[in-house]
Amino acid sequence: DTGVSQDPRHKITKRGQNVTFRCDPISEHNRLYWYRQTLGQGPEFLTYFQNEAQLEKSRLLSDRFSAERPKGSFSTLEIQRTEQGDSAMYLCASSPGQGATGELFFGEGSRLTVL
Amino acid sequence: GENVEQHPSTLSVQEGDSAVIKCTYSDSASNYFPWYKQELGKGPQLIIDIRSNVGEKKDQRIAVTLNKTAKHFSLHITETQPEDSAVYFCAASIEGNRDDKIIFGKGTRLHILP
Repeated sequence: DTGVSQDPRHKITKRGQNVTFRCDPISEHNRLYWYRQTLGQGPEFLTYFQNEAQLEKSRLLSDRFSAERPKGSFSTLEIQRTEQGDSAMYLCASSPGQGATGELFFGEGSRLTVL
Repeated sequence: GENVEQHPSTLSVQEGDSAVIKCTYSDSASNYFPWYKQELGKGPQLIIDIRSNVGEKKDQRIAVTLNKTAKHFSLHITETQPEDSAVYFCAASIEGNRDDKIIFGKGTRLHILP
């Protein structure tokens, strides 16, 4: 399977703990996006990368959130001191990029439950 | 920033009938309008897209129309089938701009009734 993969698929944690999600994009895709989706809502943009450069970070993201894409391949999204309001599906997507937005290829998501 | 509104939030149609989902966008600079379908437990998947240099695009049973003046765009599904049941999202972005992130609407849950 050469699609976008995310790990873990489901994470249950207690409030105050740190969690990290990993995304492996489609090989050779330059763009990598993180979105958050809550029940009954559309994906909300969080941040995106062009290769290893983080181009934009949404105002939705507090200082507790950080994302990296150190070698321009896989990416990690870390949430520190989790709160119940962080419970959501975290979606990763990749695209070829380079001037055209084009199709986003989404992974199946990492569902976070904060107790 | 861009804001995308989508209606209706839920839509039920008889199998074989047509379904129409409508969206509006706020940023007149937006020029790329994709539609995504999300099935239970999966990530969204692109089904059709349209760029602002055309007013309509069709792919088999699916068509999208764009009215740039009114900042409206719509998805039309004809001859609906059970496998069309899913959540559909419209979206908008400014393609070719450094800030070309895709902004999604809140989604329409489509039920195809037997």
